[in-house]
Amino acid sequence: EVRLVESGGGLVKPGGSLRLSCAASGFTFGDYIMTWVRQAPGKGLEWVSSVSSRSYHIYYAGSVRGRFTISRDNAKNSLYLQMNSLRADDTAVYYCARGRGYCSSTGCYSNFDYWGQGALVTVSS
Amino acid sequence: EIVLTQSPGTLSLSPGERATLSCRASQSVSSGYLVWYQQKPGQAPRLLIHDASIRATGTPDRFSGSGSGTDFTLTISRLEPEDFAVYYCQQYVNSPLTFGGGTKVEIK
Repeated sequence: EVRLVESGGGLVKPGGSLRLSCAASGFTFGDYIMTWVRQAPGKGLEWVSSVSSRSYHIYYAGSVRGRFTISRDNAKNSLYLQMNSLRADDTAVYYCARGRGYCSSTGCYSNFDYWGQGALVTVSS
Repeated sequence: EIVLTQSPGTLSLSPGERATLSCRASQSVSSGYLVWYQQKPGQAPRLLIHDASIRATGTPDRFSGSGSGTDFTLTISRLEPEDFAVYYCQQYVNSPLTFGGGTKVEIK
């Protein structure tokens, strides 16, 4: 059974940092694109960042580029999102998702067939 | 960036009725790169339809997807109580990946 479990969410002040983790099991983690998607309270879904299976390709949404860093450790079946310089509009549930698709020099193009339960990040003073 | 516009924003229907949800793209999207998700309150999205019309594993056959180019449709032939949820379309033919704003199917 495929499982994705996020952790590391919480309350942080504007300008602060937080690191999310996603523990994967039930599939060969190193074979898949992995992605973070977020959802602000009461709002729709927003793609945040994707990383290819061996980390050769990494892409970010414009709203987080330069502040967030995605990484993965295939030996530990884990995905990470380091979030710095957090702002109020980063407040959201952050989902880890497995991607089905491909990555190239222009982007990672995938849909998402499995999702974690989400981690809530609240940025507030 | 491809903008996906979903309509209507809210659909109020009764169990047993037919639901028709629209997803319109600002540029042409190859059918193989358009998917639909279902999201229930407090849950993560679930992949429902991929390649515009292919049901994902476990998706009941009352759900069907169609369309091409810039116009795509998700149809639920007869609404069951568990189908009342929010539905999102997503494209991945262009970067950045984008989602529609969602259609909420609520009980009338």
